[in-house]
Amino acid sequence: RKEVEQDPGPFNVPEGATVAFNCTYSNSASQSFFWYRQDCRKEPKLLMSVYSSGNEDGRFTAQLNRASQYISLLIRDSKLSDSATYLCVVNDRGSTLGRLYFGRGTQLTVWP
Amino acid sequence: DAMVIQNPRYQVTQFGKPVTLSCSQTLNHNVMYWYQQKSSQAPKLLFHYYDKDFNNEADTPDNFQSRRPNTSFCFLDIRSPGLGDAAMYLCATSRDGGIGGYTFGSGTRLTVV
Repeated sequence: RKEVEQDPGPFNVPEGATVAFNCTYSNSASQSFFWYRQDCRKEPKLLMSVYSSGNEDGRFTAQLNRASQYISLLIRDSKLSDSATYLCVVNDRGSTLGRLYFGRGTQLTVWP
Repeated sequence: DAMVIQNPRYQVTQFGKPVTLSCSQTLNHNVMYWYQQKSSQAPKLLFHYYDKDFNNEADTPDNFQSRRPNTSFCFLDIRSPGLGDAAMYLCATSRDGGIGGYTFGSGTRLTVV
């Protein structure tokens, strides 16, 4: 069983649309959670951390449900520049210190 | 700006010819990681250094080795690259295990011919 599972995608949406990505993780001891963005042939870059109370950064809203081991990312008013792969990432400090588990990523294409 | 720098950006090597990828950081982070990412796949952790302590993933092939001569530098050595080792290699750093996330270098794309 994979540590982090994501929506397979791809998602193709028009500009201005709202799109949501989901992610589940298998280790209930996981302690910190992130969404990373990866552009084609580039390195992953931290988009936002995910907090238990949910958090918002402009058009991006992240939610965490520890009971269901579920993480989500909502993007409102999509822009062309949002086109990228979004990686759900979980830090499991229950085993090897500092080990991040990555999902395969969900590809988003925003079209004009 | 403080950052993680990987050299070279693109590397072409011959089948079976040893190759070394380098990573340096100015963040003074104590943990450094090497990930392998193949097309449309999640980054896969190869190994990491927590300070000077080396931690190898169980499924990392023996063909892959790493060195960390000091806090700032970390190297990935591929002793005998095969065609299946063609990938993007990502170096990342964190402070004390990455509760706040990692900082990635721009990666080295390795081609094996």
